[in-house]
Amino acid sequence: SAVISQKPSRDICQRGTSLTIQCQVDSQVTMMFWYRQQPGQSLTLIATANQGSEATYESGFVIDKFPISRPNLTFSTLTVSNMSPEDSSIYLCSVIRRTQGANVLTFGAGSRLTVL
Amino acid sequence: GQQLNQSPQSMFIQEGEDVSMNCTSSSIFNTWLWYKQDPGEGPVLLIALYKAGELTSNGRLTAQFGITRKDSFLNISASIPSDVGIYFCAGQSPFGGSNYKLTFGKGTLLTVNP
Repeated sequence: SAVISQKPSRDICQRGTSLTIQCQVDSQVTMMFWYRQQPGQSLTLIATANQGSEATYESGFVIDKFPISRPNLTFSTLTVSNMSPEDSSIYLCSVIRRTQGANVLTFGAGSRLTVL
Repeated sequence: GQQLNQSPQSMFIQEGEDVSMNCTSSSIFNTWLWYKQDPGEGPVLLIALYKAGELTSNGRLTAQFGITRKDSFLNISASIPSDVGIYFCAGQSPFGGSNYKLTFGKGTLLTVNP
């Protein structure tokens, strides 16, 4: 199965600041996905990061708030900009991996952000 | 957009008991997935279902893809303390092309008392 490493694993941030989360995958992948998991909520797709093109954002998420980089096929970053307490969430990087005979979404351990 | 209703929200059971949770949707899905999330970790895939009516087991876990393609359930038999965690159902849109999306339920928090 895929090894997906995220940094930081957790952080406490001040309102108004920005934080960049890194995601490193152990093999090349075409697409990398960024999800948000708000407290007590389900996972929501923020955007899909493709190497060599701009990220594709889901409804309700914009590039100015969540800029994404995808410099190569094994790495991506998500920045949470101008943070407010409402941005306190777990941010999860994911890729598609062959599991149980099919292509399924595999997640990193997540980055837990608390905004004060 | 598509929404999944997952129930129950939480369960408190004794070790050894069986557990059942389910998800329903107003939309049809091509695939149903069940994930488990341990504290401080990302969700890990437990079972994937690809055909309406499919019943699949993975150890003490059994899951079914509803005939209508709008629902799925997960059963855990003879629960043990390490079953504690949050269980998520997820429905998968058809895969192909440049996009791949899952719609997640809100999760079922399972607590197992030894």
